Formats: sequence, C-alpha cells, structure tokens
Amino acid sequence: NAGVMQNPRHLVRRRGQEARLRCSPMKGHSHVYWYRQLPEEGLKFMVYLQKENIIDESGMPKERFSAEFPKEGPSILRIQQVVRGDSAAYFCASSPPRTQSWNSPLHFGNGTRLTVT
Amino acid sequence: ILNVEQSPQSLHVQEGDSTNFTCSFPSSNFYALHWYRWETAKSPEALFVMTLNGDEKKKGRISATLNTKEGYSYLYIKGSQPEDSATYLCAFASNTGKLIFGQGTTLQVKP
Repeated sequence: NAGVMQNPRHLVRRRGQEARLRCSPMKGHSHVYWYRQLPEEGLKFMVYLQKENIIDESGMPKERFSAEFPKEGPSILRIQQVVRGDSAAYFCASSPPRTQSWNSPLHFGNGTRLTVT
Repeated sequence: ILNVEQSPQSLHVQEGDSTNFTCSFPSSNFYALHWYRWETAKSPEALFVMTLNGDEKKKGRISATLNTKEGYSYLYIKGSQPEDSATYLCAFASNTGKLIFGQGTTLQVKP
C-alpha cells in the first residue's frame, strides 16, 4: 500500500521558468493538502483540495501559484515565473475526507525541494 | 488569523531525562489537535490526534494531554533516548478541515 508519492524530489528552475510539483495521495484518500517550508521556518499551509474542487486556498499567494486535483491523476502545484523567494521544500499530505473522520491524521510525502537559480 | 504557538523552540536534554513541550491554539472553532514527529530528511509522521477536552493519549514513552477550553496541549517524553531527537509539530484542525501547524519544538537528546 503505497504512501503519499511526491515527485520530483528535487527540482531546479531558473528565474522566470515554471515549476510543476506532483502529489499522488495514499490509496483511498480523496483529500490533499499542500504545505511550504521556507528555510528556518515551519510548515505553512497553502491549499486544501479534494478531487475537482479547492476547499480552502487561503494560504496560497495571490499571484503565480495555482493548484489542482483532477478527477484522474495526481494533484499538481504549479508555480509560474518562479523567483528566488520560491525556493523551499513543498510537502503534500493526504487524508480521508475530514468530515468523515476528524480522527484521521495526515500522511505526508517526502517533499519536493525547489531551488530557483 | 489562526495562530498555533509551540514552546520552547528548541530543547537539549540528556539521555534519560523526561521532558515536555507546549502547544497553544485558538479555543474557538476547535475540531482536533494533532501531534507529529519529524525526523531530519524524513517526512512528518503522526503521533496522536485528539478531539475531546481532557483527552490523554499515550504511545510508549510519549504521551499527550489536551485542554480545549484554555487552548493548550502538552507532549511529554519520559526517559528521553537519542532516537527521540526530532522536531515535534502540533497542528490545529479548524471547522473548515484545514490543519494549521505550529513552528515545532526541536528536541536534541545527548547520549
């Protein structure tokens, strides 16, 4: 039973390029969270999605960042026109629907480390 | 703005010492409080999920308590071992379903 899969593990982009980070949730999990960890900081909430629906995107920067979780395939966090300040570790986590089980912990992937040069 | 505060930020103890950390969270719109253990170069792993005021959970030498009325949770480690060295994160689950994490407490246990 595979856990949460994130790829790539490491991603290097030049300023102005696009970064696409992928997350496949655990089998049976329909909800995905994205968190960002900046250097020397904790996990900052970005967005919470279920398939084909964004539930809460209050942590997403207003520009250049978007997220989706299509009916088929992984969740994608997309960063357009990357800048050096976007360099961080991006973690994805999955869970069953929250309304069904508030006792369920999040299961995290190993993260994608984005470096913008 | 939901704020989850953890203290201390870091802690150094000797092997065998017992220790505890604090997590403070909003006392309104509370649904659950999570504790995670995060080792270097790995991903966070769940320790406990607590939902009821007065909840106490235990896993081996690690235990946690919850006070939702005053908005705090304690994590206790009895007889710390070097393998307990990690960052311990708490997360507050609000009624929207999103989890807000604290900054973490980094524990270093010296042999």
